[in-house]
Amino acid sequence: KNEVEQSPQNLTAQEGEFITINCSYSVGISALHWLQQHPGGGIVSLFMLSSGKKKHGRLIATINIQEKHSSLHITASHPRDSAVYICAVVRNNNDMRFGAGTRLTVKP
Amino acid sequence: DVKVTQSSRYLVKRTGEKVFLECVQDMDHENMFWYRQDPGLGLRLIYFSYDVKMKEKGDIPEGYSVSREKKERFSLILESASTNQTSMYLCASYPGTGFTDTQYFGPGTRLTVL
Repeated sequence: KNEVEQSPQNLTAQEGEFITINCSYSVGISALHWLQQHPGGGIVSLFMLSSGKKKHGRLIATINIQEKHSSLHITASHPRDSAVYICAVVRNNNDMRFGAGTRLTVKP
Repeated sequence: DVKVTQSSRYLVKRTGEKVFLECVQDMDHENMFWYRQDPGLGLRLIYFSYDVKMKEKGDIPEGYSVSREKKERFSLILESASTNQTSMYLCASYPGTGFTDTQYFGPGTRLTVL
């Protein structure tokens, strides 16, 4: 079993919908990253969290350390949000483990 | 802006060939990484380096080697390419001493081994 599980694996939404992507992990962590990978392959960092909640534009990321769970929310989704979203955890021994990613498609 | 570049976006090689993938970053980062990304498996760490001439094995180093002769350049070498090394290869760099800094990724190299 992967130490980092994302759900759903694939998600299709209509433009304007509110989207939630989930990440659960089974190890002790010091931080969690949300990454975005566009079809060209390049990955950009969206958030790094160690507690609570962060917001950047239409993106919101939350983490519950006790429940070992994080969510990435996208409000008022747009076709340009279509990408693969990857959750990555920083384990307490200071290495990273990645989820398999959630492929989001937002239709106009 | 930090820039991480990789030598090729797409590469096709034959089984048994020696393959060089190069990664260059322009922000004087100490830490550089090579990952491979396969469907359903996420990113997996091949090798990393915390300093010039220093290298450490990641989770899946078999069949690979690396070289870091200069701080800005980290090369991944497939000594004898095999079909199971067909994958997307991603390089990343970050400053600092832990993963609580932002990692910066290159655009990726999609390698096909025939």
